Amino acid sequence: GAGVSQSPSNKVTEKGKDVELRCDPISGHTALYWYRQSLGQGLEFLIYFQGNSAPDKSGLPSDRFSAERTGGSVSTLTIQRTQQEDSAVYLCASSLQPSSGANVLTFGAGSRLTVL
Amino acid sequence: AQKVTQAQTEISVVEKEDVTLDCVYETRDTTYYLFWYKQPPSGELVFLIRRNSFDEQNEISGRYSWNFQKSTSSFNFTITASQVVDSAVYFCALSEFASNTGKLIFGQGTTLQVKP
Repeated sequence: GAGVSQSPSNKVTEKGKDVELRCDPISGHTALYWYRQSLGQGLEFLIYFQGNSAPDKSGLPSDRFSAERTGGSVSTLTIQRTQQEDSAVYLCASSLQPSSGANVLTFGAGSRLTVL
Repeated sequence: AQKVTQAQTEISVVEKEDVTLDCVYETRDTTYYLFWYKQPPSGELVFLIRRNSFDEQNEISGRYSWNFQKSTSSFNFTITASQVVDSAVYFCALSEFASNTGKLIFGQGTTLQVKP
């Protein structure tokens, strides 16, 4: 597509439930990133995918968080047994092959998660 | 360790005033990239500029200008003759060559409000 697409745009769930957030990157972009933006906070790196390489999961805050990327395209971020502190906007970004770090990330509009 | 600091949490100016957003970074890498992104109320981050660590030339794009000074580890952003449409959250970010992932380390953001 023309941009990074994320769904749902808004999700309200009850504490303890599992949620799945979806990201559809720009066609041809091999790198995909998930970030979390809590209220009034900066963007916190969660996970990075590049092609068929093992993902960089160093930013995942707990084992309740996981993500996968199927076929090198669409990615799903799963949060199990949600807690109130998981409430945030989850942003997905994609870029062409990152190589040197000079690549520009293109962000989606985000998925706003509210855990009651 | 890598870090980006945006000490100004919120700035409020009146339209047509000039405003400078500060950004200070920390990195041990000698090759790195610095970015500014704008996040308007719609939520989607918009890329503004990228600079590499070997290019300290200041850059001007219309009403926007950037001042990169390695001696003080700063990459400040100035908006000249601000407009109401400039109201947004602005993020400074760092990407290190050594990470080989292209992931961005963001500052906490500066909320700019331009009043008519």
